[in-house]
Amino acid sequence: NAGVTQTPKFRILKIGQSMTLQCTQDMNHNYMYWYRQDPGMGLKLIYYSVGAGITDKGEVPNGYNVSRSTTEDFPLRLELAAPSQTSVYFCASSLGVGGAKYFGPGTRLLVL
Amino acid sequence: QKEVEQDPGPLSVPEGAIVSLNCTYSNSAFQYFMWYRQYSRKGPELLMYTYSSGNKEDGRFTAQVDKSSKYISLFIRDSQPSDSATYLCAMTNTGNQFYFGTGTSLTVIP
Repeated sequence: NAGVTQTPKFRILKIGQSMTLQCTQDMNHNYMYWYRQDPGMGLKLIYYSVGAGITDKGEVPNGYNVSRSTTEDFPLRLELAAPSQTSVYFCASSLGVGGAKYFGPGTRLLVL
Repeated sequence: QKEVEQDPGPLSVPEGAIVSLNCTYSNSAFQYFMWYRQYSRKGPELLMYTYSSGNKEDGRFTAQVDKSSKYISLFIRDSQPSDSATYLCAMTNTGNQFYFGTGTSLTVIP
């Protein structure tokens, strides 16, 4: 099993551009999550999904969108990138509510 | 008050030392407790997963939960340079609210 994979590993965006961060898991987990991690701030939940077709906002959803058309994939869309979105983004999945989360390797995003 | 408090460190110990990492929390409803290890420029990796109070041991790692004090600990015995990383605690009740500490940076000096 590859676990949770994310692409790209690193990206530089100009202010106002948009992009999609890809996330795929092969563990047949129903729950998937997007987090951002900023220095000294810990992990903050952006969006999560409890299954295909079902998504919900987390703590910091503004400026982001998600979709979940399959169990395996959970892409995160950034529209109109802003410098405040410079961060490291982690996708994670878990088997169920309260279950341990398994993280991908992360995408480093720099918005200039 | 933050849901989870974790001392950011940094913590620096000699190789072979016993390391103690701690988190406190405020929500008595938390039942599931986790420790993650995060190497620089990598994703968090699950180390320990425990339910409710008590101890759990896995090799050189021991996780301890004291629900009466709202306090969890991770002990690392015979620490190695490869243990140098940031350690994150995490906890949840049975809902989708999952809380992470901000992480403690550990360096084990050969």
